[in-house]
Amino acid sequence: QKEVEQDPGPLSVPEGAIVSLNCTYSNSAFQYFMWYRQYSRKGPELLMYTYSSGNKEDGRFTAQVDKSSKYISLFIRDSQPSDSATYLCAMWETSGSRLTFGEGTQLTVNP
Amino acid sequence: DSGVTQTPKHLITATGQRVTLRCSPRSGDLSVYWYQQSLDQGLQFLIQYYNGEERAKGNILERFSAQQFPDLHSELNLSSLELGDSALYFCASSPHQGGTEAFFGQGTRLTVV
Repeated sequence: QKEVEQDPGPLSVPEGAIVSLNCTYSNSAFQYFMWYRQYSRKGPELLMYTYSSGNKEDGRFTAQVDKSSKYISLFIRDSQPSDSATYLCAMWETSGSRLTFGEGTQLTVNP
Repeated sequence: DSGVTQTPKHLITATGQRVTLRCSPRSGDLSVYWYQQSLDQGLQFLIQYYNGEERAKGNILERFSAQQFPDLHSELNLSSLELGDSALYFCASSPHQGGTEAFFGQGTRLTVV
């Protein structure tokens, strides 16, 4: 079983929709949770970074962590065609030395 | 622009050959990480250096090696290349040992023919 599971999609939504992207994980030691956006296999771009459980909002993006369920989410409000990309969740354990990535969800926002 | 520079952007080479990929981290960042991304796999962690010293190893093949120099740039050496080594190779950097705020370069696309 992979440490981080992410539905690869593809996910296709109309412009203006609310998008929900999710990851589950099995390693209880993960404490830091990140979301990256990757356009056409360019370098991943750090979008959001949260520590432990709770919500964090940044503009149209909200990251949510539920450690009791080992489940994290990224919500995109008022989605735009420019949001079309692959979204990768990533996790870090405090005693570790690596980011563990999900496989990414491919999102297309249609005008 | 993340501030992380990788060269070359593209590399085509033959099986059995050796190549060197180069990474310049963001100014002030001490940690460098190398990742491999194949078409059918996600980002796979290869190795981390912090201030010149190896800190962690992931799924790095014995044919691969890396180092970080005193000026903090890093090189990833891939030898005895096989077709299956064709992938995107990303370098990331962060200010400290923890990679919680790692910034990625644009990658080197390696094609082995």
